[in-house]
Amino acid sequence: QVQLQQWGAGLLKPSETLSLTCGDYTGSFTGYYWSWIRQPPGKGLEWIGEINYSGSTNYNPSLKSRVTISVDTSKNQFSLKLTSMTAADTAVYYCAKSSGSGGLYNWFDPWGQGDLVTVSS
Amino acid sequence: DIVMTQSPDSLAVSLGERATINCKSSQSVYFSSNDKTYLAWYQQKAGQPPKLLFYWASTRASGIPDRFSVSGSGTDFTLTISSLQAEDVAVYYCQQYYSTHYTFGQGTRLEIK
Repeated sequence: QVQLQQWGAGLLKPSETLSLTCGDYTGSFTGYYWSWIRQPPGKGLEWIGEINYSGSTNYNPSLKSRVTISVDTSKNQFSLKLTSMTAADTAVYYCAKSSGSGGLYNWFDPWGQGDLVTVSS
Repeated sequence: DIVMTQSPDSLAVSLGERATINCKSSQSVYFSSNDKTYLAWYQQKAGQPPKLLFYWASTRASGIPDRFSVSGSGTDFTLTISSLQAEDVAVYYCQQYYSTHYTFGQGTRLEIK
């Protein structure tokens, strides 16, 4: 069954802002952090950042200046915005549950299905 | 950043044979205060999101077959598949969460010889 469902625009032009949203259907939204992770085509995984129910965030320092992760507790959803997109940001973007003990220091399980985001003029 | 380095980058193993994947962290991911090792392993099949295999270095995730096992401590860890099955073809990743700037290894591609 679907546990995390994600959606958002898949084709962007350079300098535009990426916007993705992920909905939680695991039934445990309030107790955990929720992450965004990306994977350039044919490459490895890069963690982008995470947010909890209260809106506390933890960002990858290398992306922090361009990233905003927000939460909509009424819908059990969390969203990613990444500004000033370039071709280097072309990747499959995944949402995931940060599955530690409810705080920081997390592994990821489950994952959303992934969305390919392409940046091209 | 804690750098995670996996070896080899790729390997080919015959069906039924043992596959071994290594993961090395640039600093220890063991926290002595709680006696926990902050390491996870994932399997990613083609066209799919990663799937959790192990967390806390050696706790098997739900539904993971016991032909998958892990060993190691401190900075050096190993994922072993005791008898390779066709469905194990995938890329395998380790991940540290000792630092809250979570980082992954570069991945090891496992194929059938």
